Amino acid sequence: DSGVTQTPKHLITATGQRVTLRCSPRSGDLSVYWYQQSLDQGLQFLIQYYNGEERAKGNILERFSAQQFPDLHSELNLSSLELGDSALYFCASSPTGGGYTFGSGTRLTVV
Amino acid sequence: DQQVKQNSPSLSVQEGRISILNCDYTNSMFDYFLWYKKYPAEGPTFLISISSIKDKNEDGRFTVFLNKSAKHLSLHIVPSQPGDSAVYFCAAEKTSYDKVIFGPGTSLSVIP
Repeated sequence: DSGVTQTPKHLITATGQRVTLRCSPRSGDLSVYWYQQSLDQGLQFLIQYYNGEERAKGNILERFSAQQFPDLHSELNLSSLELGDSALYFCASSPTGGGYTFGSGTRLTVV
Repeated sequence: DQQVKQNSPSLSVQEGRISILNCDYTNSMFDYFLWYKKYPAEGPTFLISISSIKDKNEDGRFTVFLNKSAKHLSLHIVPSQPGDSAVYFCAAEKTSYDKVIFGPGTSLSVIP
């Protein structure tokens, strides 16, 4: 157990739907990062939050959004889902920067 | 624009031999480099790192070499063990910027 908790572990949904992925960071970690890993692809950085505020944005689609709550957990919202959104979504946390600890991921399948 | 490249998608090595995983980067502003290891159905786990002020860092069977002029780093595993079979991600960051950029990964198979 890395200390970073992601729920759910698996999610199957239909095209056009909306889902929410949840991440609880390690105790004391202020930064939360979201990454997407598609088939045969590396880890693509989506977005980072630090202590409730957006810190950096990567290749995140406009259909996707995220937020970090006062208790530091984070949610990644994916809407108008397409088949190509099927992927592993990882959350990582760190105290300030670098030294990531990853969760075990949410596998999203869009059918 | 892929800033961190791992040109070998896969690598097979005999148990007991050396595994060498390579990584190239394009952004000279990166000042910290990391290797992560990932087993199926698990998140990546940190393996070893190196600061840009060093050219070598060793931790047990794992050694990372950095050649800044060539913008190249490599991970050496010796001796390789079957339990080392996993996907290895090279990653880089500009510590002041806080974001880590990952390469596409190399799948290592260590054959008993």
